[in-house]
Amino acid sequence: AQSVTQLDSQVPVFEEAPVELRCNYSSSVSVYLFWYVQYPNQGLQLLLKYLSGSTLVKGINGFEAEFNKSQTSFHLRKPSVHISDTAEYFCAVSDPRTGSNTGKLIFGQGTTLQVKP
Amino acid sequence: DTGVSQDPRHKITKRGQNVTFRCDPISEHNRLYWYRQTLGQGPEFLTYFQNEAQLEKSRLLSDRFSAERPKGSFSTLEIQRTEQGDSAMYLCASSPWDRRNVEQFFGPGTRLTVL
Repeated sequence: AQSVTQLDSQVPVFEEAPVELRCNYSSSVSVYLFWYVQYPNQGLQLLLKYLSGSTLVKGINGFEAEFNKSQTSFHLRKPSVHISDTAEYFCAVSDPRTGSNTGKLIFGQGTTLQVKP
Repeated sequence: DTGVSQDPRHKITKRGQNVTFRCDPISEHNRLYWYRQTLGQGPEFLTYFQNEAQLEKSRLLSDRFSAERPKGSFSTLEIQRTEQGDSAMYLCASSPWDRRNVEQFFGPGTRLTVL
């Protein structure tokens, strides 16, 4: 069964500093990988996704992530954070196989990014 | 395109009452998903529809839960005889689902509080 582990429940960082949010997954097959952001009392918004191809993926709001198959990781990075980046971040995987594939997302527990002035 | 909408946004009910939530997906998206998110956790898959057919249900979806998607458009999620453990955010997502367009677009959620 697939699972996702987000290694940090909370990440405090000062404004304009770089940040990395860590995500590891377990799966015996190839996966699609996603990062979503959730602001308070709102739904989830897609930041970026990895389906295939280049292992470095760029997303919205200056975020990027690198897929590392050997380490089964998909860490999210931003070189300089803003106060407005304060939110909950979720890493997720889905099974890309066709046929009976549901496309359902398996989420990690989330990481709270707290950007301080 | 107005995105995925959910109604109501908040619902407070007493234990034992029935509640129904509605989700309107992005038009022409053939897949619709329901997830449940409890405080401090990531969303958990409940069920999904391919057009009007409900193709998978999670073990989380007890007999008190039922979901429908008549005519492959909007969907409803009903919880009968609510329990305090049902308190959560219920999220709906839709997806066009083809080989390259696998993104799920989420609605704002319905927050259920069972007293």
